[in-house]
Amino acid sequence: QVQLQESGPGLVKPSETLSLTCTVSGGSVSSGSYYWSWIRQPPGKGLEWIGYIYYSGSTNYNPSLKSRVTISVDTSKNQFSLKLSSVTAADTAVYYCATSLNWNYGINWFDPWGQGTLVTVSS
Amino acid sequence: AIWMTQSPSLLSASTGDRVTISCRMSQGISSYLAWYQQKPGKAPELLIYAASTLQSGVPSRFSGSGSGTDFTLTISCLQSEDFATYYCQQYYSFPPTFGQGTKVEIK
Repeated sequence: QVQLQESGPGLVKPSETLSLTCTVSGGSVSSGSYYWSWIRQPPGKGLEWIGYIYYSGSTNYNPSLKSRVTISVDTSKNQFSLKLSSVTAADTAVYYCATSLNWNYGINWFDPWGQGTLVTVSS
Repeated sequence: AIWMTQSPSLLSASTGDRVTISCRMSQGISSYLAWYQQKPGKAPELLIYAASTLQSGVPSRFSGSGSGTDFTLTISCLQSEDFATYYCQQYYSFPPTFGQGTKVEIK
């Protein structure tokens, strides 16, 4: 079954760009069966969907973050990535990658999830 | 945007109890609702989708019901491993959004 693993810097300075990668195993990002999402959770708070990418490169982002988010896919490495620009302390969160099915344009439930990675925004 | 109200935010219960968690929507979402369990330091895990369909491998003591605006997650006989935080998620409208969470703690 598909497994996901996030990686990237745990500390980012304010105004810089947060960059994370999700490595997929047990499946292929080139599979048309899934959409590949990023979701975040500030410490002690709830969950926020950031956006997704389909293997074709088609993306969809949460309007609340759209101006700062870029999600890309690297089929040769079986990975997809998140870039969030101009970060502030409010972007401090655990960032998860997750999958959804190719149904309802990828907007459905998320399963499985990666273990998550904490990114702290601080100088 | 669809507003989601999950209640209670904190639920104190004992092993063996039957517990229910509510998720109410500001507008109807048919059955486009999922439930997740999250334990401290771990990623959320899918329990239920389509309001009442149990994800493979999830114990049958978990059940979901409802449609439209009112949904319920029920744990029929609380086990020690069920003490966690539970989230609902709607996928009827864009963007998908999550409830605020319900923490189930030991009484």
